[in-house]
Amino acid sequence: EAGVAQSPRYKIIEKRQSVAFWCNPISGHATLYWYQQILGQGPKLLIQFQNNGVVDDSQLPKDRFSAERLKGVDSTLKIQPAKLEDSAVYLCASSRDLSYEQYFGPGTRLTVT
Amino acid sequence: AQSVTQLDSHVSVSEGTPVLLRCNYSSSYSPSLFWYVQHPNKGLQLLLKYTSAATLVKGINGFEAEFKKSETSFHLTKPSAHMSDAAEYFCVVSDPPNQAGTALIFGKGTTLSVSS
Repeated sequence: EAGVAQSPRYKIIEKRQSVAFWCNPISGHATLYWYQQILGQGPKLLIQFQNNGVVDDSQLPKDRFSAERLKGVDSTLKIQPAKLEDSAVYLCASSRDLSYEQYFGPGTRLTVT
Repeated sequence: AQSVTQLDSHVSVSEGTPVLLRCNYSSSYSPSLFWYVQHPNKGLQLLLKYTSAATLVKGINGFEAEFKKSETSFHLTKPSAHMSDAAEYFCVVSDPPNQAGTALIFGKGTTLSVSS
């Protein structure tokens, strides 16, 4: 079974530029999550989708972050404009159903200069 | 609100000696608790989970954890460390289940170093 795929793996941009990350969950997984992991901290949930609907985006800075999962499969997370404090690893995870086990992708490491 | 506190940011052990990574939790519900491991440049991997069944939970790679409600603890142990155990370990508590699943709340992590 293929795991959660993410791209790109690394991205360096200047502040005020925009960036997008892509995630392809495990086939058949209905729930998709985006987490932000700042260096030295644990991951923090940004947004949670169930199929193509948003369930929880309470921690998403909506003035600059957006995410979509149009066909209920893969998802994109966008930052526009980026700030220095957005430097982090962005993790995508998926789960099959209401079970707790989430499977994580390798992450995208973003550096904002 | 649910939260976890990992009591040590860094633990160093010698190969072949026991491992103890400490975690305390706070939850107003009957919690579900997890330990995840993160090796450099690799994704997070679930080590074990507690979901109100047996209080002693066995996971992969010889790790286990014991849920102690009276102490609000969920410490991770392994009898004998291996060099390959060197990684970042996260104690995690789940939010109460909602209609779509469960958000995970991570601790700040404990870096485990293993020397030969």
